[in-house]
Amino acid sequence: GAVVSQHPSRVICKSGTSVKIECRSLDFQATTMFWYRQFPKQSLMLMATSNEGSKATYEQGVEKDKFLINHASLTLSTLTVTSAHPEDSSFYICSARAPGTSVNETQYFGPGTRLLVL
Amino acid sequence: GIQVEQSPPDLILQEGANSTLRCNFSDSVNNLQWFHQNPWGQLINLFYIPSGTKQNGRLSATTVATERYSLLYISSSQTTDSGVYFCAGLDRGSNYKLTFGKGTLLTVNP
Repeated sequence: GAVVSQHPSRVICKSGTSVKIECRSLDFQATTMFWYRQFPKQSLMLMATSNEGSKATYEQGVEKDKFLINHASLTLSTLTVTSAHPEDSSFYICSARAPGTSVNETQYFGPGTRLLVL
Repeated sequence: GIQVEQSPPDLILQEGANSTLRCNFSDSVNNLQWFHQNPWGQLINLFYIPSGTKQNGRLSATTVATERYSLLYISSSQTTDSGVYFCAGLDRGSNYKLTFGKGTLLTVNP
């Protein structure tokens, strides 16, 4: 149980294009999903918290107009990197919280999406 | 904000050896989790451990909440244990946000 998927697993795009990454909770309903970014050999940094049916909450320094987050259902959140630039190249990871379970404070992580912007 | 510090940053072991990873955290951390990130990037939940001791096979973890630290023990290490081990502190007051430490890169050599 508590499986989270991400799609695509890796993407290469040209500078200036937009890229959408999907995060799905496969066997549970996730009222809250989180988006992280991880640069090589660094830790995970939280970008934003996504609550179903409401606007996402962004961490300080994260541009909300550049990283658009939509949490349209209890099993799907999307992150769109708009007008991507080479410095946006990174490993993007989503996670979902599973409320109502015996360990409802833990987060379950997707496999990540490697974005390379040329 | 939450502070989470891990040590050591790097650890190299021979297969079969035991190791202890440490995580210190600040007062504002409510709960502690340990994760293993495999070489492909997947984060795997190891322990949700706000206090006390838990064991899962060759891995065990102990959190002493009153002293603000947690330890992850790996016994009889295997090459498949290689990867980065993260501890993360949960802040219930901020919509359950997790703050990650910088991780310990473990390399287990055959």
